[in-house]
Amino acid sequence: GDSVTQMEGPVTLSEEAFLTINCTYTATGYPSLFWYVQYPGEGLQLLLKATKADDKGSNKGFEATYRKETTSFHLEKGSVQVSDSAVYFCALSDRAFGNEKLTFGTGTRLTIIP
Amino acid sequence: ETGVTQSPTHLIKTRGQQVTLRCSSQSGHNTVSWYQQALGQGPQFIFQYYREEENGRGNFPPRFSGLQFPNYSSELNVNALELDDSALYLCASSLDGAEQYFGPGTRLTVT
Repeated sequence: GDSVTQMEGPVTLSEEAFLTINCTYTATGYPSLFWYVQYPGEGLQLLLKATKADDKGSNKGFEATYRKETTSFHLEKGSVQVSDSAVYFCALSDRAFGNEKLTFGTGTRLTIIP
Repeated sequence: ETGVTQSPTHLIKTRGQQVTLRCSSQSGHNTVSWYQQALGQGPQFIFQYYREEENGRGNFPPRFSGLQFPNYSSELNVNALELDDSALYLCASSLDGAEQYFGPGTRLTVT
């Protein structure tokens, strides 16, 4: 079945550092890929998405490129801020199942120190 | 535009009891999905409802059941609660199963 593997945390960085969180996937069809963010005590917010190979999703300075050849969707940001501290989830949605259920990775906790 | 809302926020139940969680979908959305998020884990898909019919189910036993109402709000019912059912339950709504918008979740504790 479908699965998502993401970089284990926690990850601690200094403010203005470069961020990469790795994500790879396995899917039977042609999935859409997502990054969600979860702030303490809150639900999930969609950060960015890509629906086909070579698409780049971007939002709030974060970027991720859909790489079909390496089945990857790594999250990057050039200069992180304290406010980026949260848990980040990589996810895929595969319409081969006839619905848009999301399959998530286990999450990566990111802490940015001033 | 009102986002996805869930009630209650927190809930404590005893093993063997039954619980009902509620979700109001975002205006204009006709699809609701439910997810279980155990502590320190990613959300796991429970099931999805599209126009009041179940449209896909994850690897959860039949004691997890649901409903979707004509106004597209939804309930998740769990019977015979077990300790492992303690989790954050997330509801997400979408239009025709596309991009999903999540509510804040209901934190269920089973003692």
